[in-house]
Amino acid sequence: AQSVTQPDIHITVSEGASLELRCNYSYGATPYLFWYVQSPGQGLQLLLKYFSGDTLVQGIKGFEAEFKRSQSSFNLRKPSVHWSDAAEYFCAVVLTGTASKLTFGTGTRLQVTL
Amino acid sequence: NAGVTQTPKFRILKIGQSMTLQCAQDMNHNYMYWYRQDPGMGLKLIYYSVGAGITDKGEVPNGYNVSRSTTEDFPLRLELAAPSQTSVYFCASIGGQPYNEQFFGPGTRLTVL
Repeated sequence: AQSVTQPDIHITVSEGASLELRCNYSYGATPYLFWYVQSPGQGLQLLLKYFSGDTLVQGIKGFEAEFKRSQSSFNLRKPSVHWSDAAEYFCAVVLTGTASKLTFGTGTRLQVTL
Repeated sequence: NAGVTQTPKFRILKIGQSMTLQCAQDMNHNYMYWYRQDPGMGLKLIYYSVGAGITDKGEVPNGYNVSRSTTEDFPLRLELAAPSQTSVYFCASIGGQPYNEQFFGPGTRLTVL
């Protein structure tokens, strides 16, 4: 079945430590890939997206993500986490020809300890 | 630009009541979407529209209806509210090139008791 999987429900990291959030997809073709962040009580904000080309994409707030076709993965990374990064992070995909409908993973809640 | 706006921010309904969640965007976007977010479940697509007068069902449309009479507005109607519709509802829109960023509204938190 087609799906987006975020295997980590909750992650805790110390401020200044590196971060990697995992995302795997299961589709017949490579979808368009997105990472969104949701701060408590807020809507969603786009961090970055991958359509084609360079498999390492840079986003806002110092985030980056790497697309690995062989692993069907699109993991989000940040070299040094700040306390303000505490939020929920969603991986999402869009399939071509589907009116840009997003399919979301279940999210990873990031907690940052000082 | 105000972006995507949603009203109300919060609402409590009794079982069987009806209400309309309002969504408007001022970016002249053709594509608009309604999602619901339940804890631990991510966001699920309820309905979407690719332009005025055109709507279609998403993954979880049961219990909801939509209309799109203008480019700007995309209201979501709940008929006969049920506890299972307790959720946070997000409206989103996209314009320009397809597969671009979807802009999300701030959400409506709905509780059905």
